Amino acid sequence: NAGVTQTPKFQVLKTGQSMTLQCAQDMNHEYMSWYRQDPGMGLRLIHYSVGAGITDQGEVPNGYNVSRSTTEDFPLRLLSAAPSQTSVYFCASSYSKGLRDYGYTFGSGTRLTVV
Amino acid sequence: DAKTTQPNSMESNEEEPVHLPCNHSTISGTDYIHWYRQLPSQGPEYVIHGLTSNVNNRMASLAIAEDRKSSTLILHRATLRDAAVYYCILRGFKTGANNLFFGTGTRLTVIP
Repeated sequence: NAGVTQTPKFQVLKTGQSMTLQCAQDMNHEYMSWYRQDPGMGLRLIHYSVGAGITDQGEVPNGYNVSRSTTEDFPLRLLSAAPSQTSVYFCASSYSKGLRDYGYTFGSGTRLTVV
Repeated sequence: DAKTTQPNSMESNEEEPVHLPCNHSTISGTDYIHWYRQLPSQGPEYVIHGLTSNVNNRMASLAIAEDRKSSTLILHRATLRDAAVYYCILRGFKTGANNLFFGTGTRLTVIP
């Protein structure tokens, strides 16, 4: 299994440009999330999804959109990039069955620089 | 979401056991205690989780206090590869969502 795959690994954008960060998982996980990590900080939740067709906002959703048309994919869109969105972005997924808890699997990250 | 308190940093000698503490005095009855670690320039990696009883896996052990207000992650023999930031996270269950909220964690330095 590939686990959680994020593309691209690195990206440089100009202010105002748009782009989509891709995230795919092959573990049939229901839950998927996007986090950002600024230098020296912990991860902050941007958006999450509890299943195909269902998304919700996390702690820092402004400037980002998500959709979940399939179980496998959860892309993150930056509509108009700003320097404040320079960060490392992580996608994560988790299995869920009733109230039993399972660990999250994280991707290797996308390092985004907005100039 | 209930918060956790961890020391900012700890050091350990290689091949010695490491006990990483975490306080979570406001934990609720349905909160699971999760531990993740993040090696330099990598994504977080799941280590272990538990609810009430102590847990063991190939990576570590998790000791949970009887009142559940604190827990300890135990690495039995630290290696250089264990140098990372360790996050203690409470994961509560709500209808339809059970997200992870990260703090700043404990930076573990392993001394050769």
